[in-house]
Amino acid sequence: DTGVSQDPRHKITKRGQNVTFRCDPISEHNRLYWYRQTLGQGPEFLTYFQNEAQLEKSRLLSDRFSAERPKGSFSTLEIQRTEQGDSAMYLCASSIRDRLAGGGNTGELFFGEGSRLTVL
Amino acid sequence: KQEVTQIPAALSVPEGENLVLNCSFTDSAIYNLQWFRQDPGKGLTSLLLIQSSQREQTSGRLNASLDKSSGRSTLYIAASQPGDSATYLCAVRKGYSSASKIIFGSGTRLSIRP
Repeated sequence: DTGVSQDPRHKITKRGQNVTFRCDPISEHNRLYWYRQTLGQGPEFLTYFQNEAQLEKSRLLSDRFSAERPKGSFSTLEIQRTEQGDSAMYLCASSIRDRLAGGGNTGELFFGEGSRLTVL
Repeated sequence: KQEVTQIPAALSVPEGENLVLNCSFTDSAIYNLQWFRQDPGKGLTSLLLIQSSQREQTSGRLNASLDKSSGRSTLYIAASQPGDSATYLCAVRKGYSSASKIIFGSGTRLSIRP
């Protein structure tokens, strides 16, 4: 397994269109996160899954945003009726709940390469 | 509310210098702190992870320290190289669980001059 993969890497769309991003986490990782990053800023938390359960959603995630992880493996992030303000890099990260070494839970995050969205 | 600050926002140094990047956070109740590197247009690459019970971690030319009581972490880069040019981000996981929220700083954009 080579890490977290995201698709597509780049998406250009017109305002009002729907877009969907896919994230495939590292295979044994049961936690999956979505973040959004704009130029010059750090990533902002959007939502988090543990297995198939969506446990937390940011207030940044308006009604136009929806995320799923139906089988606890890959996840999709859909943006409906895109707006120019949605233009950003959408980052997916995964982590494993339990690490064997030392018996502790490290909570280390591993990120994908991101999906850059441009809304015209 | 946890806030994470990285100062300076940008730093330029000549090749070969040792340098320190700073990260400060407002709430000392953290689970861990992670340093990342991000190249332009790319995702984040994990560099070092420090658990709340640890004081420092080392990997190659990188050394990260953590002082929870003062709300500070530093990333030390020895013998800098042009390939070290990137944005460096610190991220704090709040609270007492590996499932708790992660807050990022805005990063320090590092440029190493040949």
